[in-house]
Amino acid sequence: EVQLLESGGGLVQPGGSLRLSCAASGFTFRTYGMSWVRQAPGKGLEWVSGITGSGGVTYYADSVKGRFTISRDNSRNTLSLQMNSLRAEDTAVYYCAKILSAAGSDYWGQGTLVTVSS
Amino acid sequence: QPVLTQSSSASASLGSSVKFTCTLSSGHSDSIIAWHQQQPGKAPRYLMKLESSGSYSRGSGVPDRFSGSSSGADRYLTISNLQSEDEADYYCETWDSNTRVFGGGTKLTVL
Repeated sequence: EVQLLESGGGLVQPGGSLRLSCAASGFTFRTYGMSWVRQAPGKGLEWVSGITGSGGVTYYADSVKGRFTISRDNSRNTLSLQMNSLRAEDTAVYYCAKILSAAGSDYWGQGTLVTVSS
Repeated sequence: QPVLTQSSSASASLGSSVKFTCTLSSGHSDSIIAWHQQQPGKAPRYLMKLESSGSYSRGSGVPDRFSGSSSGADRYLTISNLQSEDEADYYCETWDSNTRVFGGGTKLTVL
């Protein structure tokens, strides 16, 4: 059974940093691309960042480029998102998602809430 | 980069059928999309992959009440025999070489 378990969310002040993690199990982690997707309160889904299975290529939405860094540790089946220079508009539930090639995000974690506020 | 357009809301009666539309922006009418369901307070759940030909593949455990179809730049999700638990937000997703995009979502009310 595929499981994705996010952690690391919390309350942080504007300008601060936070690191999210996603522990994956139930599939061969290194062979799948992964994404982070967020959802602001009462809003729709917004793709944030993606990474290939090897970790060699990363992608970012313009809204987070230069502030967020996605990475993965295939030896520990873990996906991470380092978030720096956080803003109020980054407040959201952050989901990690497994990418099935040419088929979309086929599994989602339960999400972790990030609140940016003074 | 592609843009996906969805209606904001829909409603249908228990036991009836409902059809959602997701429209791809110009130049992306051949793109594959995915449909997701998000019940209130829960994480999204993958429903299916849908190709421009209308061929679709449901995700693990998704009931056959959920089906997909396509016409030009439009991608459809049809739910038949509506149940109360189908009341949710429905999102379409697509991607290109270096980005992924979600539609704004359609909120379904089951009457």
